Amino acid sequence: AQRVTQPEKLLSVFKGAPVELKCNYSYSGSPELFWYVQYSRQRLQLLLRHISRESIKGFTADLNKGETSFHLKKPFAQEEDSAMYYCAFRANTGFQKLVFGTGTRLLVSP
Amino acid sequence: ETGVTQSPTHLIKTRGQQVTLRCSSQSGHNTVSWYQQALGQGPQFIFQYYREEENGRGNFPPRFSGLQFPNYSSELNVNALELDDSALYLCASSSPVLNTEAFFGQGTRLTVV
Repeated sequence: AQRVTQPEKLLSVFKGAPVELKCNYSYSGSPELFWYVQYSRQRLQLLLRHISRESIKGFTADLNKGETSFHLKKPFAQEEDSAMYYCAFRANTGFQKLVFGTGTRLLVSP
Repeated sequence: ETGVTQSPTHLIKTRGQQVTLRCSSQSGHNTVSWYQQALGQGPQFIFQYYREEENGRGNFPPRFSGLQFPNYSSELNVNALELDDSALYLCASSSPVLNTEAFFGQGTRLTVV
């Protein structure tokens, strides 16, 4: 079955602390992995995708095919990082369906 | 470049009624996907339209149907509304040829009473 697991519903940290949002996927093929973010009152938007290997707003994520994980990390959290984060994958077949996790709410306190 | 727009933003319907939601895709994107996001859940894939035809469907009953028009805009129709259909409905556009990510609209909040 195609599934994305985000074990934490809520992650609360202080400003300047490191952050790691966990994501594991279940898919037998070769997926493309994404992190989408939703800030308060804004639309769902792409944060990063694994094929681009970019660091966006200080966030990075490495695809570990052995552990089927795509954890999102940031060394020093900022208050403006507070948002809902969704991990998602897309089968590498040209078909555009995204499979999302249930999301993790990140709360960064001053 | 215009983004993905959805209308209406909010809607209240009675159980058993029918509803039509609309989506304009981002410029240059020929594929539109629809998602249902229930409270506290991640978006769930409903179906995808490409070149005016449905070419992929998630685990949703036939009373969920759609259309895509020559300008790539799309509609989602839901017949015989049930209380469990209350959710945020998201539209996303993309271009498989350009291998873009999915760009999402703001969503339509549907409440069925």
